[in-house]
Amino acid sequence: GENVEQHPSTLSVQEGDSAVIKCTYSDSASNYFPWYKQELGKRPQLIIDIRSNVGEKKDQRIAVTLNKTAKHFSLHITETQPEDSAVYFCAAGSNDYKLSFGAGTTVTVRA
Amino acid sequence: DGGITQSPKYLFRKEGQNVTLSCEQNLNHDAMYWYRQDPGQGLRLIYYSQIVNDFQKGDIAEGYSVSREKKESFPLTVTSAQKNPTAFYLCASSIGKGHNQPQHFGDGTRLSIL
Repeated sequence: GENVEQHPSTLSVQEGDSAVIKCTYSDSASNYFPWYKQELGKRPQLIIDIRSNVGEKKDQRIAVTLNKTAKHFSLHITETQPEDSAVYFCAAGSNDYKLSFGAGTTVTVRA
Repeated sequence: DGGITQSPKYLFRKEGQNVTLSCEQNLNHDAMYWYRQDPGQGLRLIYYSQIVNDFQKGDIAEGYSVSREKKESFPLTVTSAQKNPTAFYLCASSIGKGHNQPQHFGDGTRLSIL
């Protein structure tokens, strides 16, 4: 089955700086890569996703890049704000509609 | 996502007891999923269903059972065979047709042992 590894497990950044989270996947059949944000005690919420036919996608301060050859994808958050503090999960899925999740990255934005 | 409702929010299980977690969605989604979340870990798939009256085991199905008698409902039973049931349980749904689509999550049920 699919194996998704996520790094780092924790990330502390100064407000206004950028944050980068990296994930690797093992199954070359994976073609869908969503990112979720989970605040303490709450449900995960989709923040951005990318499909295998696209190399990069942006939405305001958030961007995701995908390197299919190397089987890795990354989340970039620019101009971080205190409300960006949360746990972020990457995931990979294929045509069976299942997702395999990374272990999560706890992001802390220092004021 | 207001379209997925999980209940109860908190649940306590006694030794040897089976408990059932409810998940209802009004998004008209075909696919539904159950995940277990432990501290410091990602979401692990317990069971999933792509269509009514059909479901498949995920990565950690032992000690759990599900049913999918209606499109809107996908209850999860944590049986007494699950020796370490304390966790946060999340239900999700997705369109389940065509291209892979985002999964939308409920608010979760936190299960503890008495």
